[in-house]
Amino acid sequence: EVQLVESGGGLVQPGRSLKLSCAASGFTFSNYYMAWVRQAPKKGLEWVATISTSGSRTYYPDSVKGRFTISRDNAKSSLYLQMNSLKSEDTATYYCARQFSLHWFAYWGQGTLVTVSS
Amino acid sequence: DIQMTQSPASLSASLEEIVTITCQASQDIGNWLAWYQQKPGKSPQLLIYGATSLADGVPSRFSGSRSGTQYSLKISRLQVEDIGIYYCQQASSAPLTFGSGTKLEIK
Repeated sequence: EVQLVESGGGLVQPGRSLKLSCAASGFTFSNYYMAWVRQAPKKGLEWVATISTSGSRTYYPDSVKGRFTISRDNAKSSLYLQMNSLKSEDTATYYCARQFSLHWFAYWGQGTLVTVSS
Repeated sequence: DIQMTQSPASLSASLEEIVTITCQASQDIGNWLAWYQQKPGKSPQLLIYGATSLADGVPSRFSGSRSGTQYSLKISRLQVEDIGIYYCQQASSAPLTFGSGTKLEIK
């Protein structure tokens, strides 16, 4: 059974940094693209980042490019999201997802809430 | 960026009724379209990928179709467990974008 468990969310002040983690199990982690998708409170879904199987390629929308960094450790079956220069508009539940290449999101974690506020 | 225009924003239907949700892509995305269901308080789940293919474990009452750049999700016989918010997503090119969602309720 595919399992994705996020951690690292919490309350952080604007301008500060936070690192999210996602522990994967139930599949061969190194064979899949992985991604982060977020959902602001009572709002829709927004793609945040994708990383290739080896980690050599990363993809971001303009809204987070230069501030967020996605990475992975295939030996630990873990995915990460380093978030810097956080803004109030980054407040959201962040989902880790297993992705079919740079296409759809086949499996999702339960999410971790990030609140950016002073 | 590719815009996905989803309609309706909300929908109230009776049990066993046929329900249809649509998404219009702002440009050609071929069959690179997915549908997700998000039940209250839960994470999204993949329903349909490749515009028409059913994801594993999804009931056969769900189906997807395409006509040009318009995509539809159909629920053939609405069940109480189908309530939630439905999203389309274009999977053709980055930045990947979602529709704004359709909230489905039971009448």
